[in-house]
Amino acid sequence: QVQLVQSGAEVKKPGASVKVSCKPSVYTSISYGINWLRQAPGQGFEWMGWISTHNGDTNYAQKFQGRVTMTTDTSTNTVYMELRSLRTDDTAVYYCAKDVPDPGHDAFDIWGQGTMVIVSS
Amino acid sequence: EIVMTQSPATLSVSPGERATLSCRASQSVSSNLAWYQQKPGQAPRLLIYGASTRATGIPARFSGSGSGTEFTLTISSLQSEDFAVYHCQQYYNWPPWTFGQGTKVEIK
Repeated sequence: QVQLVQSGAEVKKPGASVKVSCKPSVYTSISYGINWLRQAPGQGFEWMGWISTHNGDTNYAQKFQGRVTMTTDTSTNTVYMELRSLRTDDTAVYYCAKDVPDPGHDAFDIWGQGTMVIVSS
Repeated sequence: EIVMTQSPATLSVSPGERATLSCRASQSVSSNLAWYQQKPGQAPRLLIYGASTRATGIPARFSGSGSGTEFTLTISSLQSEDFAVYHCQQYYNWPPWTFGQGTKVEIK
């Protein structure tokens, strides 16, 4: 089964930016939606946004509008999430997760392993 | 934004017993509800979507029910590997998709 592989842990200072990548373990020509979520220590999940690997369309949570950019590189099948103007409360594990293939169901059937982002001065 | 509330926060169950977890939405989400299992240090695993459809490879002891604002995840006979945190997620009204705070199922 295809897995999603994310880039490694990051430590950033407040005000900096972080860019996390997410790539399927095997190449696929099938287009799908990729969501980015985060989980702060001991907390629930927070959905950040969605990108289509077909055409790059995006939809961001209002909370992150203006601070997040999601992009896709079709040549490498890689999806990126960049978060800018980092604050200490952005410290969390960031996940990419694929939409289930069933139309009309926006649940997430394949998740990346998570990327720890620590924001600290 | 739709608020998802899970109860209880912690559920203590003996192996072999039945576990019933609840998830309530602040407004109707129809049947657009998913359940995930998460073990420490791991990414979540999709169990149920569409309120009652088991995801690929999920054992039959996991079942979901409900619609509108009230949902239930039932684990019919708890196995040792089922002790974990369970999260519900609505995907009726976006953005954003929203999650509950999770229910921890622990060994009694």
